[in-house]
Amino acid sequence: GEDVEQSLFLSVREGDSSVINCTYTDSSSTYLYWYKQEPGAGLQLLTYIFSNMDMKQDQRLTVLLNKKDKHLSLRIADTQTGDSAIYFCAEIPSGGSYIPTFGRGTSLIVHP
Amino acid sequence: DTAVSQTPKYLVTQMGNDKSIKCEQNLGHDTMYWYKQDSKKFLKIMFSYNNKELIINETVPNRFSPKSPDKAHLNLHINSLELGDSAVYFCASSPSRAAEQFFGPGTRLTVL
Repeated sequence: GEDVEQSLFLSVREGDSSVINCTYTDSSSTYLYWYKQEPGAGLQLLTYIFSNMDMKQDQRLTVLLNKKDKHLSLRIADTQTGDSAIYFCAEIPSGGSYIPTFGRGTSLIVHP
Repeated sequence: DTAVSQTPKYLVTQMGNDKSIKCEQNLGHDTMYWYKQDSKKFLKIMFSYNNKELIINETVPNRFSPKSPDKAHLNLHINSLELGDSAVYFCASSPSRAAEQFFGPGTRLTVL
């Protein structure tokens, strides 16, 4: 089945850029999502990209997709303490099962 | 206005009991989901309904039974609760099967 891998922790200083990485295994057309989870809350959609795109930018967020390596990254520019949260990468294949697979989440800690 | 709501927010119960969690979305979405998030934050899909029809049923014990009385509601009933059922259960909805998902605030279930 599909598998989505993420590193578990990332620590950055306030004002620096954060880059959170994700790899996925599905080789068909797929939607790829980034979600943010703050303590005690549900997941909040940040951005998404379809597998026929290379890059998407939305204010401080930049998503890069390397289809050959099945590697997805989320860059947060000018990281703030309010960005501290768990970030989940998720994949939903667009054909067949449509079963969502989430990575284990990357805990981003932003130091003042 | 709350887009995806769940009740109750917290549920503490004894082993062997039967309990239900309710979910409602006011977004007019066709697809709804139940996820289980364990203590290590791993998020796993359990069920999905599309227009009241069960479309995803992922290796979940048959003690868990989802019910969708209408498109806006997806409830989860759990029989004979076990210690391992302790987790946070999230409901989500999306406009279609591969689209972005909107999550509820979660129900923290503790089985004693």
